[in-house]
Amino acid sequence: ELKVEQNPLFLSMQEGKNYTIYCNYSTTSDRLYWYRQDPGKSLESLFVLLSNGAVKQEGRLMASLDTKARLSTLHITAAVHDLSATYFCAVGDYGGSQGNLIFGKGTKLSVKP
Amino acid sequence: GAGVSQSPSNKVTEKGKDVELRCDPISGHTALYWYRQSLGQGLEFLIYFQGNSAPDKSGLPSDRFSAERTGGSVSTLTIQRTQQEDSAVYLCASSLQTLSRNEQYFGPGTRLTVT
Repeated sequence: ELKVEQNPLFLSMQEGKNYTIYCNYSTTSDRLYWYRQDPGKSLESLFVLLSNGAVKQEGRLMASLDTKARLSTLHITAAVHDLSATYFCAVGDYGGSQGNLIFGKGTKLSVKP
Repeated sequence: GAGVSQSPSNKVTEKGKDVELRCDPISGHTALYWYRQSLGQGLEFLIYFQGNSAPDKSGLPSDRFSAERTGGSVSTLTIQRTQQEDSAVYLCASSLQTLSRNEQYFGPGTRLTVT
């Protein structure tokens, strides 16, 4: 059974600081996604990572994937208040229907001035 | 273009009643998914439709839950004899289901409250 673990679950940062969110998963998969969710809103796709060593960057966020270690990271550079949200990683479940995603519990990020 | 839409946005129902939740996927997307998001359980997969294939119902929590997808487009999730533990946000997503990306686009969700 595929399990996805994120840490930390809660992260309070000061503006301007850097930090990394980690996403570990338990079985082979080559599809990993990062989503952002604002309070009361739906999920917004941030990154799709499809191969070992993939690195994607958008603004102050950078995501990477190491399929051998079954680890993805979401790195935040020089955080700003607008980045406050909950971030989810999700992994494609090949053991199931090959369609659905298994989500981590999310990391609630709060960026303070 | 239009994204995934869901209705209603909020639903309050009494325990024991049946409810229907609707999802309109992005036009042309062949795959449709239902997930449930609750405080204690995070995001859980419920059911998956791909084209004309039989749906993957492996995530449905009980036989009170069922879903249909008519004409390969609109989907309805039905919960019979609702219980308080069914209270959650029900999210629908759709994707093009290419072999590589399978990026899922989520709707705004239906917040279900069972009293």
